[in-house]
Amino acid sequence: DAKTTQPPSMDCAEGRAANLPCNHSTISGNEYVYWYRQIHSQGPQYIIHGLKNNETNEMASLIITEDRKSSTLILPHATLRDTAVYYCIGSQGGKLIFGQGTELSVKP
Amino acid sequence: DTGVSQNPRHKITKRGQNVTFRCDPISEHNRLYWYRQTLGQGPEFLTYFQNEAQLEKSRLLSDRFSAERPKGSFSTLEIQRTEQGDSAMYLCASSLGTKNIQYFGAGTRLSVL
Repeated sequence: DAKTTQPPSMDCAEGRAANLPCNHSTISGNEYVYWYRQIHSQGPQYIIHGLKNNETNEMASLIITEDRKSSTLILPHATLRDTAVYYCIGSQGGKLIFGQGTELSVKP
Repeated sequence: DTGVSQNPRHKITKRGQNVTFRCDPISEHNRLYWYRQTLGQGPEFLTYFQNEAQLEKSRLLSDRFSAERPKGSFSTLEIQRTEQGDSAMYLCASSLGTKNIQYFGAGTRLSVL
């Protein structure tokens, strides 16, 4: 079962780091954890993914605990355009299993 | 733009009518996925193709729904005898490779009156 749990909403001040947590204790050991975000009325946008090691790209950093039961997405310098619903996602047989996500509001 | 393309973007139909949506994946992506998203919820998996073969269908996909991917390129999703409960955003995604990073289109928003 690739179920994930995230807080329903978070606020962040513009220019500060946004840290979005996710619990995924039931994701199997060989399945990736993916993070996507969705801005209102658009399709989900891929951000980053990881398996065991921490990952960084031009959009964000992903910190995965050693036991793989949780992870944190870090947006280092949040802007107003980062306001969106952020999904932490497990996969099962190739299909993505979305939860409710975290609605991140970046405020001036 | 070489991303995933979905048409139409919006569809309004009357209950009982048939509708068809089209998805053009990123060129050379061999996997294509359909998801459905209702208001306030995350997307839910409907079905998935690898090349032209439909490999998995969710139990959400009733007999009124059919999807095809002829020649392993674009895909169509047809809903027959639409019901008000079919109103949703229908999302298409494509991917290539073992990491299965799925790239989504902008979706087709269906409203059944």
